[in-house]
Amino acid sequence: LAKTTQPISMDSYEGQEVNITCSHNNIATNDYITWYQQFPSQGPRFIIQGYKTKVTNEVASLFIPADRKSSTLSLPRVSLSDTAVYYCLVGEETGANNLFFGTGTRLTVIP
Amino acid sequence: EAGVAQSPRYKIIEKRQSVAFWCNPISGHATLYWYQQILGQGPKLLIQFQNNGVVDDSQLPKDRFSAERLKGVDSTLKIQPAKLEDSAVYLCASSLVRRANEQYFGPGTRLTVT
Repeated sequence: LAKTTQPISMDSYEGQEVNITCSHNNIATNDYITWYQQFPSQGPRFIIQGYKTKVTNEVASLFIPADRKSSTLSLPRVSLSDTAVYYCLVGEETGANNLFFGTGTRLTVIP
Repeated sequence: EAGVAQSPRYKIIEKRQSVAFWCNPISGHATLYWYQQILGQGPKLLIQFQNNGVVDDSQLPKDRFSAERLKGVDSTLKIQPAKLEDSAVYLCASSLVRRANEQYFGPGTRLTVT
């Protein structure tokens, strides 16, 4: 079961780009890297998923180096509403789900 | 598209009582998950269903927790008897079989055991 390591907390000013890096040294060949966002009193929300190189959607970008032992979630021009906990997870796409959420990174956006 | 529905949203019980939570997943999602989230921690998987069958229940405290998914749609999670340490938010999620990492979560049920 691949575990991940990410910073406990980060602060950023509104309008800045935020990069949250996650370490997953024991990632397996069939594992994908997935990021979730969780607001207080809500369930986690899927943000983005990737296997290698770069993935971009309307919410964020995910950068994965060739060795796949780490990944970086990039949030462009954050706003106050991006204040949340961000979880980095690794796991296979099918079969028994091995997603381990950990404690995540608490991002606080400051006006 | 309707999201994952859960009820009740809040529940307060005394220790040693029993409680049940209900979940209705997104239509077409064959895989259903129950998570426990203790304050300040990330969600912890309790049980995973694929259709009617259990895929993984290795972290379910089977002496007091039980779950079922009849007809491969709705699911219920029961705790009997409850302990103080069961106070947490219980989250239900669902996904397509081939997209297990893209899970859709319900709003959760906040359980307080006194």
